[in-house]
Amino acid sequence: DADVTQTPRNRITKTGKRIMLECSQTKGHDRMYWYRQDPGLGLRLIYYSFDVKDINKGEISDGYSVSRQAQAKFSLSLESAIPNQTALYFCATSDLIQGDTGELFFGEGSRLTVL
Amino acid sequence: GQNIDQPTEMTATEGAIVQINCTYQTSGFNGLFWYQQHAGEAPTFLSYNVLDGLEEKGRFSSFLSRSKGYSYLLLKELQMKDSASYLCAVLDSNYQLIWGAGTKLIIKP
Repeated sequence: DADVTQTPRNRITKTGKRIMLECSQTKGHDRMYWYRQDPGLGLRLIYYSFDVKDINKGEISDGYSVSRQAQAKFSLSLESAIPNQTALYFCATSDLIQGDTGELFFGEGSRLTVL
Repeated sequence: GQNIDQPTEMTATEGAIVQINCTYQTSGFNGLFWYQQHAGEAPTFLSYNVLDGLEEKGRFSSFLSRSKGYSYLLLKELQMKDSASYLCAVLDSNYQLIWGAGTKLIIKP
């Protein structure tokens, strides 16, 4: 079983619909992130959370919201999806506290298509 | 602004050696990462450099020069399974990761 699990893996939806992407992890990490990846562009940070009570906007948070329901769960919502939100979305976790490199552990990705 | 530059695509031959370069301009520096990403899959960690010099890990090595804002990933004895995108990322002064767009490496027999 994957340490970082995303659901759904693939989703096709229509403009204006509300979409939720869910992420759960069994690594015990405090830090969780949501990224989107578009062809020809680097990974771009949408939101991140360093613990359950901490939520921070990334570089492209407009049109998105998140919820950190527990240490292990971090959900990304698109309140009203639009076609330019069509992308591959990744959830990731990390743990700097133990003095490691801060390596990110990624989920398998959620491919979202907005028609 | 912050910027990470790496070539868009490279081609190499199975069994050969390839060097993928990455140059960066960021507000501060707290380390540089290389990740490998196969098509349609999640990125996976390859290496981390925070001090100047070469870090070797099996067939893969990563080099860093902080004064030049430059890193490279060296892949030796290339195998077909090394066909993937290689992502360079820098941890800036706020401990935020800045990502390059990735280099797609194509391995030919």
